[in-house]
Amino acid sequence: LAKTTQPISMDSYEGQEVNITCSHNNIATNDYITWYQQFPSQGPRFIIQGYKTKVTNEVASLFIPADRKSSTLSLPRVSLSDTAVYYCLVGDISPYNTDKLIFGTGTRLQVFP
Amino acid sequence: NAGVTQTPKFRVLKTGQSMTLLCAQDMNHEYMYWYRQDPGMGLRLIHYSVGEGTTAKGEVPDGYNVSRLKKQNFLLGLESAAPSQTSVYFCASGGSYEQYFGPGTRLTVT
Repeated sequence: LAKTTQPISMDSYEGQEVNITCSHNNIATNDYITWYQQFPSQGPRFIIQGYKTKVTNEVASLFIPADRKSSTLSLPRVSLSDTAVYYCLVGDISPYNTDKLIFGTGTRLQVFP
Repeated sequence: NAGVTQTPKFRVLKTGQSMTLLCAQDMNHEYMYWYRQDPGMGLRLIHYSVGEGTTAKGEVPDGYNVSRLKKQNFLLGLESAAPSQTSVYFCASGGSYEQYFGPGTRLTVT
């Protein structure tokens, strides 16, 4: 079972870059790393997914070191609307694998003006 | 496309009553999921389905039943509601990699 560990909360100011690190020491060879964002009273929203090295999309970047025991979600120039809870999930893509569906308590990011 | 929709949005039940929550998706996804989220907590998987006619238990399945008679629908049933089932219920659908979530159903059991 690929357990993840994230900081409970983080604070930032508008315009800063925010990096949220997730530890997953027992990640398996076939596991992917996926990040979701959740606003209050809404369902989580997929942000980004990766297997190794670096992945970037229009919203965020995901950095994964060679040993894959951790990953870092990077949000460039955050705004107030980025205030949310961010979840790191780890698991393989096989249909009956529920590891990738374990959300944990996430990291609560608060962005201040 | 509506994505993932959930019915109803809110519901109040008395202990012992039953109800069914409906989830519908129009993205032709094979996989569908039901989660519950309690205040200040992450999501916990109740049941899931990897295709029409299939269901499987998740982390917290007790007290719930599910059915996936049609590919686009996934029903969550509570046969005898208990106060411990007061929660926000989220449905999701997806393929192998990512999930798309519905807006949630806020259920209160008194």
